[in-house]
Amino acid sequence: QSVLTQPPSASGTPGQRVTISCSGSSSNIGSNFVFWYQQLPGTAPKLLIYRSNQRPSGVPDRFSGSKSGTSASLAIGGLRSEDEADYYCAAWDDRQSVWVFGGGTKLTVL
Amino acid sequence: VQLVESGGGLLQPGGSLRLSCAVSGLTLRSHAMSWVRQPPGKGLEWVSGISGDGGSIYYTDSVKGRFTISRDNSKNMLFLQMNSLRAEDTAVYYCATQRSAYNNAFDFWGQGTMVTVSS
Repeated sequence: QSVLTQPPSASGTPGQRVTISCSGSSSNIGSNFVFWYQQLPGTAPKLLIYRSNQRPSGVPDRFSGSKSGTSASLAIGGLRSEDEADYYCAAWDDRQSVWVFGGGTKLTVL
Repeated sequence: VQLVESGGGLLQPGGSLRLSCAVSGLTLRSHAMSWVRQPPGKGLEWVSGISGDGGSIYYTDSVKGRFTISRDNSKNMLFLQMNSLRAEDTAVYYCATQRSAYNNAFDFWGQGTMVTVSS
């Protein structure tokens, strides 16, 4: 069971906006940045969002992150077929001194 | 930047294995690094991390006392010594860089190396 809680699945049609949630606690999301990773089938994860809402260069601005209290969200606007992937949130946990991940959300583009 | 893991394989419970991660295109001594694993069909799990100078080391509880992370900055290499392996350690093991410019996010990843523990 993951420390951070994500919905196991999400879906949308091309062009739609989809949001994926990530819930944690005061020792992780509540006191640290949140990071989001995209894992396309059969590939290594890729950094999508850092510092809760910043995009590394090369990541389209269709991807955005936000954080409020002990929860965070990843929004994907203008959904495209190539966005079909697993998405993971992560944060440092001060209480355990470990990095914690969400269980992952499988995004399906219908 | 390129990260290449090696050393994975099939072994019996109780066995040992040493994973290596070769990094190119980056001066490794400036950056923390971690090992992250992914059991077949499951999600990501952080295993261990080490600071740029090797002075700070962290492990997830399930591998404490069994795994040892180390680095050789002169050779731009990261290692994971895994002892007393269990079936639940079966996973793809990724190494990842953690640059401070990205608040220690796992910003570059290797392609992963498979470790299978089975009798």
